[in-house]
Amino acid sequence: TQLLEQSPQFLSIQEGENLTVYCNSSSVFSSLQWYRQEPGEGPVLLVTVVTGGEVKKLKRLTFQFGDARKDSSLHITAAQPGDTGLYLCAGDSDRGSTLGRLYFGRGTQLTVWP
Amino acid sequence: NAGVMQNPRHLVRRRGQEARLRCSPMKGHSHVYWYRQLPEEGLKFMVYLQKENIIDESGMPKERFSAEFPKEGPSILRIQQVVRGDSAAYFCASRQATYNEQFFGPGTRLTVL
Repeated sequence: TQLLEQSPQFLSIQEGENLTVYCNSSSVFSSLQWYRQEPGEGPVLLVTVVTGGEVKKLKRLTFQFGDARKDSSLHITAAQPGDTGLYLCAGDSDRGSTLGRLYFGRGTQLTVWP
Repeated sequence: NAGVMQNPRHLVRRRGQEARLRCSPMKGHSHVYWYRQLPEEGLKFMVYLQKENIIDESGMPKERFSAEFPKEGPSILRIQQVVRGDSAAYFCASRQATYNEQFFGPGTRLTVL
């Protein structure tokens, strides 16, 4: 069983379009991180959200953490080919100060065509 | 400020041989995590270490796999008597003491022939 479910699994769009990807769980997380991974490389941290309802912006990327800290979304405005990659969400279990393992979703593979 | 370093980047072993993967965390990071990534399965936690201590090894197979993070030097993930099912990308991540923002290395891609 996957603790974090990401959707859609694949997304193929044209340059300039907007998109949203989702990360859902029935579990509560103390924090949630978004990564982007390119072929042959390790995941690169994009953002960490900690507070329920929190919204963070990184240029054209907007990240939101659900009020109940069970889900998150990533919205990209005016997508560019350089946004192509595998987007992963990862949650830190709600166990106080354990600060341990991350639980990963399977990712959304985004392809942006010029 | 160098990031997390892993070597080798690619490792080919025959069945029955040993694989040794190394990870040097970011400067100032004393917590190291190992994850394994298989196609279609995503990243799975294996083990969490601090200097000279294994904190959580619940994701690591009990046989053939071991990990260490000595007082000096890199963290090592060792796989003895490798089998084809061990073929995967192995990633190391590190973090500072007070935040669970984990930064990943480029990975070691292990192929077992």
